[in-house]
Amino acid sequence: AQSVTQLDSQVPVFEEAPVELRCNYSSSVSVYLFWYVQYPNQGLQLLLKYLSGSTLVKGINGFEAEFNKSQTSFHLRKPSVHISDTAEYFCAVSGANTGGFKTIFGAGTRLFVKA
Amino acid sequence: DAGVIQSPRHEVTEMGQEVTLRCKPISGHDYLFWYRQTMMRGLELLIYFNNNVPIDDSGMPEDRFSAKMPNASFSTLKIQPSEPRDSAVYFCASSFDRGSSYNEQFFGPGTRLTVL
Repeated sequence: AQSVTQLDSQVPVFEEAPVELRCNYSSSVSVYLFWYVQYPNQGLQLLLKYLSGSTLVKGINGFEAEFNKSQTSFHLRKPSVHISDTAEYFCAVSGANTGGFKTIFGAGTRLFVKA
Repeated sequence: DAGVIQSPRHEVTEMGQEVTLRCKPISGHDYLFWYRQTMMRGLELLIYFNNNVPIDDSGMPEDRFSAKMPNASFSTLKIQPSEPRDSAVYFCASSFDRGSSYNEQFFGPGTRLTVL
């Protein structure tokens, strides 16, 4: 069965510093990869997605992620974070191996941006 | 489009009472998902529908939980009787099948349920 592992439950970082949130997935078949963001007291919203093609994917708010098939990773990065980026970030995967038409979500990484 | 709409946004009830959560998916979407989010267990898929038909309800915690989708624009999640451990944020999400199991989901704002 498909699974998604987010390697850090919490990531504290100072404003304007770079950040990387790590995500690994398990799959032997083609998958679609997503990062969702959840701001306090809100629902999840799509940050970026990988479908095919270029392995570097750009999303909203200056975030980008790199698909690495050999390492089955899809890490999220931002070169300079803002206080407003404080939120919970979920890595997710959908595809033929997720057990029906499901999206498998990771446990989430809580990003704290400090002034 | 207004996005996925959920009501109520907040619900406070007493143990033993019936609770009904409502969801209106995005028009044209043929999949609807119900999730529960808690600090302890994270985001859990409870049930999902395709074209108003329940496909997988393996995540429904017990018989006290039931979900229906009488038409393409409306779904309910009911808890009867409610218990304090049901306190959580319940999300509804919708998507449509673009082929090859590509499933980008659109989430509602959630209903925060507190059972006293």
